[in-house]
Amino acid sequence: DSGVTQTPKHLITATGQRVTLRCSPRSGDLSVYWYQQSLDQGLQFLIQYYNGEERAKGNILERFSAQQFPDLHSELNLSSLELGDSALYFCASSVSGTGIQETQYFGPGTRLLVL
Amino acid sequence: DAKTTQPTSMDCAEGRAANLPCNHSTISGNEYVYWYRQIHSQGPQYIIHGLKNNETNEMASLIITEDRKSSTLILPHATLRDTAVYYCIVRVATGNTGKLIFGQGTTLQVKP
Repeated sequence: DSGVTQTPKHLITATGQRVTLRCSPRSGDLSVYWYQQSLDQGLQFLIQYYNGEERAKGNILERFSAQQFPDLHSELNLSSLELGDSALYFCASSVSGTGIQETQYFGPGTRLLVL
Repeated sequence: DAKTTQPTSMDCAEGRAANLPCNHSTISGNEYVYWYRQIHSQGPQYIIHGLKNNETNEMASLIITEDRKSSTLILPHATLRDTAVYYCIVRVATGNTGKLIFGQGTTLQVKP
């Protein structure tokens, strides 16, 4: 158990819908990362937050957005869903988010299926 | 961050050492080598990292060549539970983001 929690574990929805994925980081970690893992793209970095502020952005679609709240939990919002958004979505956390000799701890993931 | 090259797949007999190679010929002096693994769609798990010296922890050993252009992750006594995809990642030691850029990794199959 990494200490990072993600809900829900599984999500099935239809094209065009909107969903929200939730992540609670490890106690004491200020930075949260979101990654997407699909069969054809592998593990891809989406976005990073540190203490409520966006710190880094990857290949995140405009239909996707995220935020980190004052209690440090984070939500990833996916809208106008398409079949290709079906994937595993992982959240990770770390202490400072600078990556300087820093370990990232990953949650168990949310499996999203868009029908 | 420097690019890494890993074999697509490897087999290892249970109880034997698993040696997973990684090439990172364009690595810079301030870049670390990190290893993570992912067991069957679970969240990736940190294994070990190093700069230029060999490193060892309770999970594995990391051997980095003197020119730092390649490294080897060693699982000393592989078990069936070590079957996973192993990712070698090179990233700068400084900066304001800890984002990880994953390649395709090596699928290690430990066989009884």
